[in-house]
Amino acid sequence: RKEVEQDPGPFNVPEGATVAFNCTYSNSASQSFFWYRQDCRKEPKLLMSVYSSGNEDGRFTAQLNRASQYISLLIRDSKLSDSATYLCVVNPGGGADGLTFGKGTHLIIQP
Amino acid sequence: GAVVSQHPSWVICKSGTSVKIECRSLDFQATTMFWYRQFPKQSLMLMATSNEGSKATYEQGVEKDKFLINHASLTLSTLTVTSAHPEDSSFYICSAKPLSGIETQYFGPGTRLLVL
Repeated sequence: RKEVEQDPGPFNVPEGATVAFNCTYSNSASQSFFWYRQDCRKEPKLLMSVYSSGNEDGRFTAQLNRASQYISLLIRDSKLSDSATYLCVVNPGGGADGLTFGKGTHLIIQP
Repeated sequence: GAVVSQHPSWVICKSGTSVKIECRSLDFQATTMFWYRQFPKQSLMLMATSNEGSKATYEQGVEKDKFLINHASLTLSTLTVTSAHPEDSSFYICSAKPLSGIETQYFGPGTRLLVL
């Protein structure tokens, strides 16, 4: 079983639509969770951390369900510039451990 | 703030040569840096954790004698791909974790390696 699983997509959605991504992780002891964004041939950039209580940053809302080992990202009022690959990322140890990345979900916003 | 640079940004080399990639944290100190590798359409995979002043910790399946890591200072880690072969062609990305202890890791822009 893969450590972090995501639907690879691609998700093709019209500009202005709301889109949701899901992710599951296998290590129940995982400490911290993130969504990163990666543009083509670029390094990943932190989009937001994910907290158990859920958190929002502008048009982006992240949710974490530790019992189900499930993470979600909701993007409202999508923009053309949101087109990218969204990576679900887990820090298994919370300390100095490296991050475990999902393969990413490819999002294409269409005008 | 929190800028990480990598050099070179891309490199093409002949099979059998060694390639050195530098990762620098420009405006913060990092006791821990991480090296990742990403093959096309695959996820980033952690290769090793680099700790300043001590030996790197390698992930299972990563040959420590092939991928030499040196973390000589709080702002510099190097990865040397020794005797590179075409299957080593990949996108190598480093990240650095600030001394401040926050969870966030900051990624470098990556180095594309093509071994002919």
